[in-house]
Amino acid sequence: EAGVVQSPRYKIIEKKQPVAFWCNPISGHNTLYWYLQNLGQGPELLIRYENEEAVDDSQLPKDRFSAERLKGVDSTLKIQPAELGDSAVYLCASSPDRGADTQYFGPGTRLTVL
Amino acid sequence: GESVGLHLPTLSVQEGDNSIINCAYSNSASDYFIWYKQESGKGPQFIIDIRSNMDKRQGQRVTVLLNKTVKHLSLQIAATQPGDSAVYFCAESSTNFGNEKLTFGTGTRLTIIP
Repeated sequence: EAGVVQSPRYKIIEKKQPVAFWCNPISGHNTLYWYLQNLGQGPELLIRYENEEAVDDSQLPKDRFSAERLKGVDSTLKIQPAELGDSAVYLCASSPDRGADTQYFGPGTRLTVL
Repeated sequence: GESVGLHLPTLSVQEGDNSIINCAYSNSASDYFIWYKQESGKGPQFIIDIRSNMDKRQGQRVTVLLNKTVKHLSLQIAATQPGDSAVYFCAESSTNFGNEKLTFGTGTRLTIIP
């Protein structure tokens, strides 16, 4: 079974530029999560989707971050404009259904903002 | 112990020995706990979980112990192997808010010495 797929794996941009990350969850998984992971720290939830609905985006900085999951399958996370402090690893995870305990993580996208 | 930024707690263990990684949690309402393993350049990988109605659960070479009285969780890895070298995170969630929202603790870097 294929795992969570993320692209790109690495991205280097200059500050004030836009950037987008893509995630394809495990087939059949209805719940999708985006996390931010700073170096040496645990992942922090940015947004959670149940199918195409964002059910928890309380931690998403909405002035510059946006996300979508239009067809309830793959998802895109965007930052516009990027700031130096946005340098981190952006992880996507999925789980089979709401209330499912185990989240399966993708490899992440490492973003460097110069 | 606590860590800030790059200063992860570290543990070095001789190959073949047993290792114990500890985690303190703060939310007394948490009733579900997971240990994740994260290798360099990869996303967190599920190892083992435990619910609050249990105090011990065993998997293959791993055992998780839960002490709700002092809000402490530990992961024991038996007969460590070089492939066990990674950063280990504990995560907690509360049924009250649905098991979807995981809060990750500070990671511990485990190094297996050949």
